[in-house]
Amino acid sequence: GESVGLHLPTLSVQEGDNSIINCAYSNSASDYFIWYKQESGKGPQFIIDIRSNMDKRQGQRVTVLLNKTVKHLSLQIAATQPGDSAVYFCAENIGGYSTLTFGKGTMLLVSP
Amino acid sequence: GAGVSQSPRYKVAKRGQDVALRCDPISGHVSLFWYQQALGQGPEFLTYFQNEAQLDKSGLPSDRFFAERPEGSVSTLKIQRTQQEDSAVYLCASSLTTSGRGNEQFFGPGTRLTVL
Repeated sequence: GESVGLHLPTLSVQEGDNSIINCAYSNSASDYFIWYKQESGKGPQFIIDIRSNMDKRQGQRVTVLLNKTVKHLSLQIAATQPGDSAVYFCAENIGGYSTLTFGKGTMLLVSP
Repeated sequence: GAGVSQSPRYKVAKRGQDVALRCDPISGHVSLFWYQQALGQGPEFLTYFQNEAQLDKSGLPSDRFFAERPEGSVSTLKIQRTQQEDSAVYLCASSLTTSGRGNEQFFGPGTRLTVL
């Protein structure tokens, strides 16, 4: 399939390392944030979400941190695996219904 | 169960041609969204349906873009008189509800449109 990752910031890690992907958002009114994973030729896939009344949320091998003071979001992936290689997008919800505003993506490359 | 499906997966059009892109959301999902994704960019919102009602079309880039969901399930995005700048991946997403629990958006694989 076609690549969605051209000209994107890239994070290269070794298998087993922990990865941290960062995202800055612009609208202080946003109250819901989601991380998506997008593999080449596929649509974005939900990873984890967090609401603005929280500053941390953990899933399986993933943790999302939210710093509302500086409008910053991060995704931590523990023990990164080759199958984690993809483009990662943060998205924010503004306005009370479900329309999402996506940030710029980061390509994660995991070497065996 | 089946996820969101889109057809065709790839479409090549000559400049000036009309195209129609189809989205089959997950059965029972109330909300349906269309996004446009340029190469190397994040998806950008085009339009939103709640059942058959188009509640937000603020993201449609021009009046050449038209979307419909007449029976509240399948949706079609139509682009008239295609231009080269319309080349992108068009993503469809659906969610069970409109807000709160169940509003996770499930994305289809997209339709890659190339306008020559």
